[in-house]
Amino acid sequence: DTAVSQTPKYLVTQMGNDKSIKCEQNLGHDTMYWYKQDSKKFLKIMFSYNNKELIINETVPNRFSPKSPDKAHLNLHINSLELGDSAVYFCASSQTGTGNPNEQFFGPGTRLTVL
Amino acid sequence: QQQVKQSPQSLIVQKGGISIINCAYENTAFDYFPWYQQFPGKGPALLIAIRPDVSEKKEGRFTISFNKSAKQFSLHIMDSQPGDSATYFCAARKRYGGSQGNLIFGKGTKLSVKP
Repeated sequence: DTAVSQTPKYLVTQMGNDKSIKCEQNLGHDTMYWYKQDSKKFLKIMFSYNNKELIINETVPNRFSPKSPDKAHLNLHINSLELGDSAVYFCASSQTGTGNPNEQFFGPGTRLTVL
Repeated sequence: QQQVKQSPQSLIVQKGGISIINCAYENTAFDYFPWYQQFPGKGPALLIAIRPDVSEKKEGRFTISFNKSAKQFSLHIMDSQPGDSATYFCAARKRYGGSQGNLIFGKGTKLSVKP
């Protein structure tokens, strides 16, 4: 009954590699997000996406790109990984127009370590 | 530029005491103010939320106090329990402008409730 799931939970890789993190939600939501949480626990939005619009946080390097094969999935692709990309990445989803506006449901996170 | 300022960074409270976490914002475009709770190794989860047309909202032991003129809001946890030990994030949603609908998070407060 997992609402928002992410794979993998842990990802260890070398600098310069390309990697992907997958996210799926079974809540029927129309909007999905990617967040980065650094070592100080600061949560920063990277992307928000629904079937109409992709909003990119202007501080996100273009090495990061979201890919949405369908409404229930928003995967995160990262090219040429750098040491500073090490963080926990959270996927989230929400439904516009519901009683609790923009309540976001978060996945369990993917801890990325770049060596 | 930090749009939502949260304090304190960490808080230690005795069991049964009151925990108070404060947040302040500048942007008048914010129209929804949720608090999220995050346990170690988990994603954040919505705890309680308030709209600016209400000065207080209570759900069980958790209360949000909202001061629109001062652009401040706070979370009060009554009768704090060890199980409340977690990181708490305040957030604000933009009603209009760039990144409309996205949540802007404070930097988080790590709460420890001592038995």
